[in-house]
Order: sequence, then structure tokens, then C-alpha cells
Amino acid sequence: QSVLTQPPSVSGAPGQRVTISCTGGSSKIGAGHDVHWYQQFPGTAPKLLIYANSNRPSGVPDRFSGSKSGTSASLAITGLQAEDEAHYYCQSYDSSLSVVFGGGTKLTVL
Amino acid sequence: QVQLQESGPGLVKPSETLSLTCTVSGGSISSYYWSWIRQPPGKGLEWIGYIYYSGSANYNPSLKSRVTISVDTSKKQISLKLSSVTAADTAMYYCARDIGGGYYFDDWGQGTLVTVSS
Repeated sequence: QSVLTQPPSVSGAPGQRVTISCTGGSSKIGAGHDVHWYQQFPGTAPKLLIYANSNRPSGVPDRFSGSKSGTSASLAITGLQAEDEAHYYCQSYDSSLSVVFGGGTKLTVL
Repeated sequence: QVQLQESGPGLVKPSETLSLTCTVSGGSISSYYWSWIRQPPGKGLEWIGYIYYSGSANYNPSLKSRVTISVDTSKKQISLKLSSVTAADTAMYYCARDIGGGYYFDDWGQGTLVTVSS
């Protein structure tokens, strides 16, 4: 069982908007720790998608956005494309001095 | 963007020690933290620990008793040792550049698969 909770799967049609939630307790996201998001295609390493809740690294399309409120964070993808089909992981920190990840969400583009 | 390359045995026997090396190229190893992260087949990501280029380290509490991470700045290498392995340690092992010491990971190696089996 992962420390941060994500839905196992989400889906959407091309062009639609989807969101992926990430929930953590008072010692994690709720303690003010930032949330980061990674995208992983099968057989490849994860890639940083969003850092510090809502910042995109250079090269990441602005279709991807992140937000955080209270003990939860969300990743939103607008204008969904077939190439967005992947696993998405959130990551934060626990006040017990440990990095924590969500269990991952598989995005299916219908 | 730095390049990270993990290397080491792909098969380790139960109860033995897993040893991996990550070589950094295309950038400096200094002034950064470096983490090891693993992913069992078909499962999610688990942080193992990080080390600062100066040598100070921090480990996942659940693995702390079995993990040692070290750094060799002259060779631009970060090493991972995990002792007393079991089948549960079978995973893809990634090294990653760690921004801020457990903050976020902006560059990842391609990973190396380690199987624990007799």
C-alpha cells in the first residue's frame, strides 16, 4: 500500500480534460510538503512532469498543469492526446524524513 | 541534462548483497544530491535513499538497516549496497539526480533490473 493515494486508472477521449488526484495525510502533503509528478511509459524511466506543485520543466507542454490544496494535489491534462497514455506518479515528502510516492495512475486515451 | 548509467549484476542470490553503480556523465556530480529509487515489476516507485556529493546520506526508514549509499566524486559514481536480499528486492533500480535532498528528481538513468533468485 502506497503512502500517497492515487486512483489506479483514469481515462478520457482525445481532446478531453482529465485529472489525477493524489492524497496524503497531515505528515505529508498536509504538512506543507510540495508535490511533484512524473510520467512513465512502459519500459522507460520516469520523467519529471511537474515540480513544486505547479511548475513545468522546460519542454513539458502547457497542457499539463498541477495544483495543491490542503492534503491533496492534482494533475490536470487538457487537450488529451494519444501520446499521453502512460502511468503517472505523484511524489512528496514525509515528516519522518522520507520521500514518498503514490501508487501510480494508468491513463488510457480512449 | 546529465546522463546517468546504472550498472551491476542482474542476478543476486537470496541473503547476499546487491551492489550497483551509477555513473554520471555530461555534468557535475558536485553540489547535487543523488538518489536511488526502485520499482518492482508491475508495481510503483519506492525511494531507497540519497547521498550528497560531500558524502552525507539519508535512507528510507523501511530499508535503512540494509542500505548503504556512497559516492566517489573522482570517478563521478554513486554506489548502492543492499544486504540480505530476498525475492521482494527484485526490481528495476534507478539512480536519479535529486534536487534538494529528497525534494524531486529531474534526471533519471535508464534503470537496471535486478532479480533475486537462487
